[in-house]
Amino acid sequence: GQNIDQPTEMTATEGAIVQINCTYQTSGFNGLFWYQQHAGEAPTFLSYNVLDGLEEKGRFSSFLSRSKGYSYLLLKELQMKDSASYLCAVRVHPSRDDKIIFGKGTRLHILP
Amino acid sequence: KAGVTQTPRYLIKTRGQQVTLSCSPISGHRSVSWYQQTPGQGLQFLFEYFSETQRNKGNFPGRFSGRQFSNSRSEMNVSTLELGDSALYLCASSFTGGNTEAFFGQGTRLTVV
Repeated sequence: GQNIDQPTEMTATEGAIVQINCTYQTSGFNGLFWYQQHAGEAPTFLSYNVLDGLEEKGRFSSFLSRSKGYSYLLLKELQMKDSASYLCAVRVHPSRDDKIIFGKGTRLHILP
Repeated sequence: KAGVTQTPRYLIKTRGQQVTLSCSPISGHRSVSWYQQTPGQGLQFLFEYFSETQRNKGNFPGRFSGRQFSNSRSEMNVSTLELGDSALYLCASSFTGGNTEAFFGQGTRLTVV
């Protein structure tokens, strides 16, 4: 089966750094996405990793280890507006089908 | 350029009825994917359309169907509605699908009573 795990909730302080982990057990891995979703809004794309290593984009970085089935999203210099849910998603192709499977999301609370 | 547009934003239907949701992708995007989002299950993939053909399908019953038109606009239909179908339905468009960035619409909030 396909399974993606990420913590349900996390809390961090404004100005700090937080790391949101994602582990996956899927067949036919073909890339990992991170999305941000504010309450009542649509998810917005943050990052995409298909090769091992770190991808940096401003205050956000995403890391992938395919051999470990593991990724993390690193948020630096946290701001109040970073309070949102962060969704880890994996593109899989178990047979001829090719689809994106989402984790249930990590709700991040930022404290002043 | 305009984003992904979903209509209607909110719907209330009765059990047993059917419903059609619409998604207009970003101009030039040919791939449209549909997702169901619920608090308990998170985002679940329904299906993806590309150039008017269903390219991929999730694990939903046959009551859930969709189609895509020549202008890439897509519709999703749910027949014989059940209470458990109450959810936020999101569509996402991308240029080709695959590993390209997908842009989500605001969603249609469906409530089945």
